[in-house]
Amino acid sequence: NAGVTQTPKFRVLKTGQSMTLLCAQDMNHEYMYWYRQDPGMGLRLIHYSVGEGTTAKGEVPDGYNVSRLKKQNFLLGLESAAPSQTSVYFCASSRSRGGRVNYGYTFGSGTRLTVV
Amino acid sequence: DQQVKQNSPSLSVQEGRISILNCDYTNSMFDYFLWYKKYPAEGPTFLISISSIKDKNEDGRFTVFLNKSAKHLSLHIVPSQPGDSAVYFCAAAGGNDMRFGAGTRLTVKP
Repeated sequence: NAGVTQTPKFRVLKTGQSMTLLCAQDMNHEYMYWYRQDPGMGLRLIHYSVGEGTTAKGEVPDGYNVSRLKKQNFLLGLESAAPSQTSVYFCASSRSRGGRVNYGYTFGSGTRLTVV
Repeated sequence: DQQVKQNSPSLSVQEGRISILNCDYTNSMFDYFLWYKKYPAEGPTFLISISSIKDKNEDGRFTVFLNKSAKHLSLHIVPSQPGDSAVYFCAAAGGNDMRFGAGTRLTVKP
């Protein structure tokens, strides 16, 4: 069972470069989310989607863009990477709004991004 | 502005004893609370949850307690096992998304 798959797993970018992180889920979940994890900060929500074709801003959206053209995919883009965007990025999906069912969110294994 | 706080970055307990992990929240609109467990190089995995209409939920060795008046929840693991060693995240759901605490690293010593 694949669940939530994130690609790539690791990436090093130079300041100013752009890249797209891909998240794919095979559980037919309506809701998808992008989080970043930084030491001492926990997981902070970047953007989320409540269904195909929709996106919304989370806590820390600046410097990121997202798209959800297909229900199973949620893309996170960095147009001009900055060292402050060095982090571990997690994608998650859920069947219910805000994860309000016993199984909460299903997370991918993360993308470790370093911006130099 | 962290709406979900885990004030203990780490906790160490002996195998067989009880582990108690604590979490505080500030937003009274949260209505569903969860605990996730995370191993290195993996994503967080769901552990246990509780609705705001309850004050306790049990699942095997894991029990979550909710004190709404104090805006506090805790996770009890008893007995603790070495395989429980991981980072535990507290999370709170409100609206369309979920907010997470910074995590507590639990180490269970044999």
